[in-house]
Amino acid sequence: DQQVKQNSPSLSVQEGRISILNCDYTNSMFDYFLWYKKYPAEGPTFLISISSIKDKNEDGRFTVFLNKSAKHLSLHIVPSQPGDSAVYFCAARGGGADGLTFGKGTHLIIQP
Amino acid sequence: NAGVTQTPKFQVLKTGQSMTLQCAQDMNHEYMSWYRQDPGMGLRLIHYSVGAGITDQGEVPNGYNVSRSTTEDFPLRLLSAAPSQTSVYFCASSYRRSSGANVLTFGAGSRLTVL
Repeated sequence: DQQVKQNSPSLSVQEGRISILNCDYTNSMFDYFLWYKKYPAEGPTFLISISSIKDKNEDGRFTVFLNKSAKHLSLHIVPSQPGDSAVYFCAARGGGADGLTFGKGTHLIIQP
Repeated sequence: NAGVTQTPKFQVLKTGQSMTLQCAQDMNHEYMSWYRQDPGMGLRLIHYSVGAGITDQGEVPNGYNVSRSTTEDFPLRLLSAAPSQTSVYFCASSYRRSSGANVLTFGAGSRLTVL
């Protein structure tokens, strides 16, 4: 039973446009949500997080939105750049477990 | 500035062989964990530790052993390797505070192939 779901395995966006990556969750006890970025042959690196008591967090080109009633969060990247091409993982903390629960990831491809 | 260091980066084993994946962190993190990444499956938690001498199972613990004798080290042991354990393994660590995101820092990964 997947508690964190990323339903789009891949997403292709033109350079300079907005990239929107989506994530849904089922466990209402999660207290933090995080996004990680992963390049091939490297470990995931932390991108941005949001507390469950907030609905938006912004860091430069990256903004995460949280809709608790819909149990949905999204990562917006504006403008998208070629270096943003990577796999993005949504993760959640809490829900009665130590550590993070990850989604399956979305492969973002930025087209020139 | 080493962060989380994993060795080896690559390993090929035959079915039934045993080996240990090493993980060390120099950030004095209380929490350490092992994940495996398989195509289409994301990152799945194998084992984790909230401090020296304390370990617990994650989502996919079968076939793996861990121990935590020091804060810095968290080795992952495969006692009798099986082809189903072919995967990329990531070690990760974080502080364990009651507030804040407790961001996990990952190692670069260890790619294991079991023939």
